This record gives sequence, C-alpha cells and structure tokens, in this order.
Amino acid sequence: GEKVEQHESTLSVREGDSAVINCTYTDTASSYFPWYKQEAGKSLHFVIDIRSNVDRKQSQRLIVLLDKKAKRFSLHITATQPEDSAIYFCAVTNSAGNKLTFGIGTRVLVRP
Amino acid sequence: GGIITQTPKFLIGQEGQKLTLKCQQNFNHDTMYWYRQDSGKGLRLIYYSITENDLQKGDLSEGYDASREKKSSFSLTVTSAQKNEMAVFLCASRDRGQDTQYFGPGTRLLVL
Repeated sequence: GEKVEQHESTLSVREGDSAVINCTYTDTASSYFPWYKQEAGKSLHFVIDIRSNVDRKQSQRLIVLLDKKAKRFSLHITATQPEDSAIYFCAVTNSAGNKLTFGIGTRVLVRP
Repeated sequence: GGIITQTPKFLIGQEGQKLTLKCQQNFNHDTMYWYRQDSGKGLRLIYYSITENDLQKGDLSEGYDASREKKSSFSLTVTSAQKNEMAVFLCASRDRGQDTQYFGPGTRLLVL
C-alpha cells in the first residue's frame, strides 16, 4: 500500500522566518495531497491541499509545492507567527480517493 | 456548517475489557473513518464506512470491531483492551465527491 514519509520530526524557526516541511510518497497514481494542523490538545483540522494537476498552490501564508517526478510535496509556512506552532501532518489519498495515508507529523515551534 | 462529536472524551479501561467509542456527525456525510493516533506514529486507519451498514478494514483493524448503525453515527469497539495502552482515537467524515476529511475532537484511551 501507499507509504508516506514525513522527513522532519521537529522544526524550530524564528518568528517571521519560513518553515518548510517535506513529504515523499510511493504510489505514482496518488492525486490528492492535503495538509492538516493539530494544535496542542486539539484535533486535526485541514489547512491546505494540492491536486496532481498543478505543482503550486498558495493560501495566504501557506504554499504547497508538488514534484510528481520525485514523488515529493512540501508545505512552506511563510512569515511565521506564534500561532503557527503546532504539529503538521501531510497525507496522500489512494487511487480510489477514499482513504488517506498520513505522515508521522512535524512539530513546528515558532520562537519569538 | 456541521460538527462531529465523539463520546466519551476520556476512557479509562481495564486489561481485557471490551470498550466502545461513539462518533456522531451532522454534516450528512457519506463516508466515516476511525483512526488511531499514537505519539510518533501519525494516524493509522482502523476502519472506514462509505455508507450505512458498510464496513471496510483499514491497516490496523486487528483487535477492533466497528458498526455503522446509521448515516450519522459510527461506533468503534476495542475487543480486548491491552494493558498500558494509551492512544487517541479520532473519528472523521467526508462528503461524497469531496476529498477533505473533517475530524472530531478525539477520545483519549488509557488502559490500566
């Protein structure tokens, strides 16, 4: 089955700098790549996604890049703020589109 | 908008006990999911259901049963709790034709 590797387990950045989280996947048929955020003591909520028909998507300070050849996608959090501190999960959908496989999560800490 | 509720919020069980977790959603979504979250392991899919009375096994179904009694509710049973087990169980739902999954607040399990 699909495997997703999330390369950074923790990331510490200074407020105002960018944070970059990288994920790789195995199934070339995967076509949907969402990112979820989990704040301390809370559940996951969706933040941004990208589909395989584009290689870049931006939503406010979040940018997702997709490199289908390398089977790699990344989340860029620009101009980081303290409220960006959380665990971020990448995920990949299966070819049927009904199941997500998640990475293990990256803990992002934004330092003042 | 809608909401996903999970009960109970906290569950303390004894080794060997059968424990049931419940999830309700009022989004009118077709597909519902149960995930287990362990520290350092991300989310792993236990069971999912694409419609009432449907059940599909995920990667971690061994030791669990599930039941989709009606469209709005999805229950998960731990058939025999393991001593010192500690995890968060997350329920999610997704609308037909949409990719985004919405998560409930979670049930935190501790087995003594």
